[in-house]
Amino acid sequence: EDKVVQSPLSLVVHEGDTVTLNCSYEVTNFRSLLWYKQEKKAPTFLFMLTSSGIEKKSGRLSSILDKKELFSILNITATQTGDSAVYLCVHLSGTYKYIFGTGTRLKVLA
Amino acid sequence: DTEVTQTPKHLVMGMTNKKSLKCEQHMGHRAMYWYKQKAKKPPELMFVYSYEKLSINESVPSRFSPECPNSSLLNLHLHALQPEDSALYLCASSQEPDRLTGELFFGEGSRLTVL
Repeated sequence: EDKVVQSPLSLVVHEGDTVTLNCSYEVTNFRSLLWYKQEKKAPTFLFMLTSSGIEKKSGRLSSILDKKELFSILNITATQTGDSAVYLCVHLSGTYKYIFGTGTRLKVLA
Repeated sequence: DTEVTQTPKHLVMGMTNKKSLKCEQHMGHRAMYWYKQKAKKPPELMFVYSYEKLSINESVPSRFSPECPNSSLLNLHLHALQPEDSALYLCASSQEPDRLTGELFFGEGSRLTVL
């Protein structure tokens, strides 16, 4: 059975800290891995990763995929209170099968 | 602003009521999804429509009835729900399967409370 596991489950940091969120997966038919940020309502898209070793960056956020070791990380540097959210790692396996991890709940304290 | 629009944003209904959730997208996507999300849990897939035909039903109880009237619209008809059905219902869309590597576009969700 396909599985996506995220760690840690929750994290509390102070503004300015750097955080690393982890996502490991066991899947039968890899197509892509996606990261989403969810605050109060709908998840918002951050990154899509399909190739190993290529870092995607957007401002203070970056992500990389290791297809050999079956994991991805999401880094956030110089965290701000607005980064407080649940971060979801999602694997796309086969047609329409988006498999969600349990999420990492990040709280950034001022 | 999200390009997937859901209405209503909030819905309170009794166990004997019949109501519907609506979802609309104008991105030309041919796959549309319903997810259910309980507090502090990830979204769980309920249904997938592809080219207006039901492709996936994740063993959802029959009190939830999906409908895809055309490629832009997706409805979820609700009847005789239970209090444990209270959740955030998320609609999403994506490209057709041959080009499917990526993003799932979510609506803002409809928060349902069943009394």
